[in-house]
Amino acid sequence: RKEVEQDPGPFNVPEGATVAFNCTYSNSASQSFFWYRQDCRKEPKLLMSVYSSGNEDGRFTAQLNRASQYISLLIRDSKLSDSATYLCVRMDSSYKLIFGSGTRLLVRP
Amino acid sequence: DAEITQSPRHKITETGRQVTLACHQTWNHNNMFWYRQDLGHGLRLIHYSYGVQDTNKGEVSDGYSVSRSNTEDLPLTLESAASSQTSVYFCASSESLAVGYNEQFFGPGTRLTVL
Repeated sequence: RKEVEQDPGPFNVPEGATVAFNCTYSNSASQSFFWYRQDCRKEPKLLMSVYSSGNEDGRFTAQLNRASQYISLLIRDSKLSDSATYLCVRMDSSYKLIFGSGTRLLVRP
Repeated sequence: DAEITQSPRHKITETGRQVTLACHQTWNHNNMFWYRQDLGHGLRLIHYSYGVQDTNKGEVSDGYSVSRSNTEDLPLTLESAASSQTSVYFCASSESLAVGYNEQFFGPGTRLTVL
């Protein structure tokens, strides 16, 4: 089993829709989690950090459920510019990042 | 502006050759990392460094080496390139390991093809 698992998608949604991605992890000792965004053929960039039960940043909400060992990312009022691959990441006890394979989102007009 | 750069951006080489990929950051970050990204695997850690003269093996370190002689640079060397090392390589750096300061900033990547 992969340490961080994501549905690869693609999720194909219309502009203005709300879309949610889930990510499960296998190591209950993980303390820090992140969502990175990666555009095609570009480098990953940090979207959100998730340190406690969750946090919100504009249209984006991340939630952490430690009991069930999953993290979610909710995107409200999707924009065309949200089309990208979203990488779920956990930090291990040695401060190394463990990446999921990513979930691809396509927002259509 | 401070930044992280990688060179070359694209490289084609032959099996058995030694290849070095450069990574340079101007943020004065202590921590630097090398990842490779392949379809279906996401980003996997090759080597990392938490300071000058410190280097550590990551998940997929076989066939790779790094050295850290100064804060700004962490070159990645493929000792004898193999076709299985065809990939996109990303370098990253972070200021600290402390919560709130451990965001990793990524370079633009190097696309390596081994024929």
